[in-house]
Amino acid sequence: EAQVTQNPRYLITVTGKKLTVTCSQNMNHEYMSWYRQDPGLGLRQIYYSMNVEATDKGDVPEGYKVSRKEKRNFPLILESPSPNQTSLYFCASSLVVPTGGHSPLHFGNGTRLTVT
Amino acid sequence: GQNIDQPTEMTATEGAIVQINCTYQTSGFNGLFWYQQHAGEAPTFLSYNVLDGLEEKGRFSSFLSRSKGYSYLLLKELQMKDSASYLCAGAAGNKLTFGGGTRVLVKP
Repeated sequence: EAQVTQNPRYLITVTGKKLTVTCSQNMNHEYMSWYRQDPGLGLRQIYYSMNVEATDKGDVPEGYKVSRKEKRNFPLILESPSPNQTSLYFCASSLVVPTGGHSPLHFGNGTRLTVT
Repeated sequence: GQNIDQPTEMTATEGAIVQINCTYQTSGFNGLFWYQQHAGEAPTFLSYNVLDGLEEKGRFSSFLSRSKGYSYLLLKELQMKDSASYLCAGAAGNKLTFGGGTRVLVKP
């Protein structure tokens, strides 16, 4: 089944403890992206990747890192999480840049992160 | 940059029609998407408009007016399962910007 898989679904951690949220897609998509979703603010892009070894900042990159060593994987790393990073996170992928109707985004099921 | 505006919440009755409006201000606009998101789930793609006019897909239709910077999503013959958030997203260059989403509550 074609899908985007992210883990874990739920994560509670403490301030400053490094964590990684994994994301993997099995559709051979070139484009991958991370979003955070907060009430009233919608989906905001954190980082995106146009292809392997090509990553770029989105609208809210501060406090996050990503890597794209393989086409299928795009982990999100929080080196020193803080409470303002408590949010719902979505990984998404698309065939190419998702700005055309032939390449809509496919989203993972989300990771609800709480930082205390 | 882009600015995408849509209402926060709408309520409608089962079997009725609801229209969700979305306005955008953007330079280099090259298309508008609608996604559906049920509570606690991932967004899923509904429609894409790049040309002016109405695109119909079963009970759902999406309209775009590029000159007015305006789109709407029309949901007909509402069903309880249509209760969800509907996200408008504008495409410009390599960037996709989402609005805050409109939560639609369908009542019996």
